[in-house]
Amino acid sequence: DAKTTQPNSMESNEEEPVHLPCNHSTISGTDYIHWYRQLPSQGPEYVIHGLTSNVNNRMASLAIAEDRKSSTLILHRATLRDAAVYYCILWSSNTGKLIFGQGTTLQVKP
Amino acid sequence: NAGVTQTPKFQVLKTGQSMTLQCAQDMNHNSMYWYRQDPGMGLRLIYYSASEGTTDKGEVPNGYNVSRLNKREFSLRLESAAPSQTSVYFCASSKTGAAETQYFGPGTRLLVL
Repeated sequence: DAKTTQPNSMESNEEEPVHLPCNHSTISGTDYIHWYRQLPSQGPEYVIHGLTSNVNNRMASLAIAEDRKSSTLILHRATLRDAAVYYCILWSSNTGKLIFGQGTTLQVKP
Repeated sequence: NAGVTQTPKFQVLKTGQSMTLQCAQDMNHNSMYWYRQDPGMGLRLIYYSASEGTTDKGEVPNGYNVSRLNKREFSLRLESAAPSQTSVYFCASSKTGAAETQYFGPGTRLLVL
């Protein structure tokens, strides 16, 4: 299964944009890039996913590199409620499974 | 809509005891999943059910069994609990495969002494 690499932790100031990077150099052509986040003591929550093109939704934007070997989750204005662990995950159509890594712990300072 | 519900919320077992974790979803989803999360770690897939009547092993299936009782319910059974199974267990569901959004339950915290 293809793996992802994320920084262990990042900090941001409230109301500033946050760019969370993810490397997935062994991604295959049919792997989707998913992002989930997990707030303390809760189950993971879907954020966004994409295949090749950049994606936007009400929560965030996903920027995917042209070679698909990296991607960036963009939170446009961080709030204190965005403090969570963010997981970048590859979903393979071959295996049908989401493989979670350790994620990036995002701290948001007021 | 309750989404994905899990029972119990918290359980303490002694080594060798058995128990079943229950999961139900009311979103008419075809696929359901069981994950475990150890402290400071990401989630690992134990078993999944792509559709009613089918189950498949994930990354860490040893020591567990599952039953897809019907479209709504997917249970996880520990036949003989071990301290290494102390973890938080999450159930999830999705419309079809994991390319679709997965919706997670609140989790069951299990402590095996």
